[in-house]
Amino acid sequence: AQSVTQLGSHVSVSEGALVLLRCNYSSSVPPYLFWYVQYPNQGLQLLLKYTSAATLVKGINGFEAEFKKSETSFHLTKPSAHMSDAAEYFCAVSARQSGYALNFGKGTSLLVTP
Amino acid sequence: NAGVTQTPKFQVLKTGQSMTLQCAQDMNHEYMSWYRQDPGMGLRLIHYSVGAGITDQGEVPNGYNVSRSTTEDFPLRLLSAAPSQTSVYFCASRDSLAKNIQYFGAGTRLSVL
Repeated sequence: AQSVTQLGSHVSVSEGALVLLRCNYSSSVPPYLFWYVQYPNQGLQLLLKYTSAATLVKGINGFEAEFKKSETSFHLTKPSAHMSDAAEYFCAVSARQSGYALNFGKGTSLLVTP
Repeated sequence: NAGVTQTPKFQVLKTGQSMTLQCAQDMNHEYMSWYRQDPGMGLRLIHYSVGAGITDQGEVPNGYNVSRSTTEDFPLRLLSAAPSQTSVYFCASRDSLAKNIQYFGAGTRLSVL
């Protein structure tokens, strides 16, 4: 079964510092991979998705992620954190089962300090 | 264009009560799904539907029923609420598999006492 593992349930960075949120996937076939963001008391919003067109994927709000097959990773980065980036971030893989439903990681809570 | 609309936003139930969480989308998406979100667990798939009249179980279907009589609506029914069903519930719909983007509602926060 296709799944993702997010390393670190909480990450804290200073405003202006690099953001790195880690995600590793398990899949025997080329996966569809996603990063979603959830702001407090809101639904999930798509940040970016990987569909094999390019290994470096650029998303909204300055985020990007790089697909590395050799490391089975899809880490999310942003060069300079902003206070408004504080949120919960979910990595997800679109699994063949369940009509290509999303299998989510457990999430990483990003805290941005002044 | 409202996207995915969930009602109610909040609900408190007593153990054993039944209720229906409503979900509607106006994007003419064939695929719809329900997830529950629990602290430290991420989102887990409850049920999904690939079109009107077609539903199937996800990872955690026990205690929930769904039906899909129209493309727009995908209600989730709790038959006899239990405290273990205290959670935040999200409905999502997806455009074509080629684009494969899921759009989420704002969620329903349910407490079962």
